Amino acid sequence: DAKTTQPTSMDCAEGRAANLPCNHSTISGNEYVYWYRQIHSQGPQYIIHGLKNNETNEMASLIITEDRKSSTLILPHATLRDTAVYYCIVRVNTNAGKSTFGDGTTLTVKP
Amino acid sequence: EAGVAQSPRYKIIEKRQSVAFWCNPISGHATLYWYQQILGQGPKLLIQFQNNGVVDDSQLPKDRFSAERLKGVDSTLKIQPAKLEDSAVYLCASSLLPRRQLNYGYTFGSGTRLTVV
Repeated sequence: DAKTTQPTSMDCAEGRAANLPCNHSTISGNEYVYWYRQIHSQGPQYIIHGLKNNETNEMASLIITEDRKSSTLILPHATLRDTAVYYCIVRVNTNAGKSTFGDGTTLTVKP
Repeated sequence: EAGVAQSPRYKIIEKRQSVAFWCNPISGHATLYWYQQILGQGPKLLIQFQNNGVVDDSQLPKDRFSAERLKGVDSTLKIQPAKLEDSAVYLCASSLLPRRQLNYGYTFGSGTRLTVV
């Protein structure tokens, strides 16, 4: 599975959009981009995933560049409860695909 | 739906002792994973099961770690003997089989925090 690169930390003002970037320049054609977040003392939580089209759900939006070498997770109106570590992962969508976690981005939402 | 259950929530043991962790995945989830998360780092995959068979255990330190998943449901992870560097949170996750849906997002438990002293 391809590896990803994320900034170590980011800050965001409460109520503003949080844009978390992820580079995955070695992504293969059959690999999906998955995002998870981990709030302190809890297990990671699935947020969203996509292959090449932009995706949106009740939690966030995922924008994947046309060449698929990078993506951005968007939290449209960040709240203090969105403070967490965010992980970007690429994996094939089969049972053999592994989710290899890096160290993620620590997002701090400030009042 | 009920989440992934793990126990115990916390465990403190002395080095060279043994310890076991238990995981009950979401009902119907055929795939189960154990991850080790050291403080300040992302989770690291230890072992992956599909039903009761091992799919990947390439990063499991087999000289001291073992895991089993009897009847393709609950799973246990054991460390014997424990070392100081095994201090970490041990996370269990489960997911559906590929043919059921396109979302292979994992559901994680809250983990077991192990401290080896």
